[in-house]
Amino acid sequence: KAGVTQTPRYLIKTRGQQVTLSCSPISGHRSVSWYQQTPGQGLQFLFEYFSETQRNKGNFPGRFSGRQFSNSRSEMNVSTLELGDSALYLCASSGHGANQETQYFGPGTRLLVL
Amino acid sequence: GNSVTQMEGPVTLSEEAFLTINCTYTATGYPSLFWYVQYPGEGLQLLLKATKADDKGSNKGFEATYRKETTSFHLEKGSVQVSDSAVYFCALSPSNSGGYQKVTFGTGTKLQVIP
Repeated sequence: KAGVTQTPRYLIKTRGQQVTLSCSPISGHRSVSWYQQTPGQGLQFLFEYFSETQRNKGNFPGRFSGRQFSNSRSEMNVSTLELGDSALYLCASSGHGANQETQYFGPGTRLLVL
Repeated sequence: GNSVTQMEGPVTLSEEAFLTINCTYTATGYPSLFWYVQYPGEGLQLLLKATKADDKGSNKGFEATYRKETTSFHLEKGSVQVSDSAVYFCALSPSNSGGYQKVTFGTGTKLQVIP
């Protein structure tokens, strides 16, 4: 099976712009979670989608949003970018049954905001 | 709420040294516990897991035992290699989540192994 893929891998934006990141989960996985990783704050949970519905959300401002499509692919959007949004954004998918607790991570999208 | 506490890094060891990375957790019930590893420039990958008390997870020479009485899940390896240099994350998934899980991660511990 192909792993979790994320596009793009690297992105440079300027303050005030918006950005959309994409994540394709492992085939058959219906849950997709997004995380922000920074040197100062570590790994922080953004939100989780399951069957096109957001079912968990972290403590991030409304500028951070996401969605999931019927094929389980997910996108996250950050509007009005700030310098502090520079981070590695990780997507993880999980399956069902005994494996629903294990998260499979993509390589991440590294976002730099100038 | 749930939380995971890991020892501060970085941890620097010589090759073939013994490794322990401490992890303790706070959660109700019986969560599942995990160790993930992140190599430079990559995403996280599952290293090992344990789903109930006294279970031992193991993989690639790493081990961790689910200790309910001390709410701990310490990671150990008898002889580290340079290739083990990475960041290690302890994590938990709540029990009885009915699939509505939200995994809680620790802050990560960077391990550097020198030849």
